[in-house]
Amino acid sequence: TQLLEQSPQFLSIQEGENLTVYCNSSSVFSSLQWYRQEPGEGPVLLVTVVTGGEVKKLKRLTFQFGDARKDSSLHITAAQPGDTGLYLCAGARGAQKLVFGQGTRLTINP
Amino acid sequence: ETGVTQTPRHLVMGMTNKKSLKCEQHLGHNAMYWYKQSAKKPLELMFVYNFKEQTENNSVPSRFSPECPNSSHLFLHLHTLQPEDSALYLCASSQEGLAGANEQFFGPGTRLTVL
Repeated sequence: TQLLEQSPQFLSIQEGENLTVYCNSSSVFSSLQWYRQEPGEGPVLLVTVVTGGEVKKLKRLTFQFGDARKDSSLHITAAQPGDTGLYLCAGARGAQKLVFGQGTRLTINP
Repeated sequence: ETGVTQTPRHLVMGMTNKKSLKCEQHLGHNAMYWYKQSAKKPLELMFVYNFKEQTENNSVPSRFSPECPNSSHLFLHLHTLQPEDSALYLCASSQEGLAGANEQFFGPGTRLTVL
């Protein structure tokens, strides 16, 4: 059973387009994190959302935590080739345990 | 060195070999983790160490043996592995006890191939 479902699993779009990826669960998380992973590297933390309904912005990236703290979305405006990578969401359950989704592999074509 | 470092970056080994993966964190964190990342599967937590004590073993086969001599270093000793153990092994660290979420900082990983 996959605790965190990410969709879509693969997304390939042209530079300049907008996109949204989703992270859904039937479980409640105390917080949710988004990471980006590039080939040959480990995941890098982008943002942590803690409060239901919270919205955080990181330049062209907008992250939202669902009101019930079960889901999250990542919206990218005017995507650029540098946004290419594997986007992972991770829900915190308990003091030290993160549960990861399977990831969305994003490709931005010039 | 800054952040979390891992060595080696690539490792090819036979099923009868014994090898070790090394991780070092330069962030002053008190918790360290081993994850396995396979193609088409989510990141799988293997082991958690907090203040050098193992606090979680996520049903990992005994052919994987972790060691945490101090809060900055973490090893994963490998022996008699199987081809299905081929994966990217990621180390991470975090500072537990702070308010907020459990933000983890990852190393670049060791790409392991078992022949």
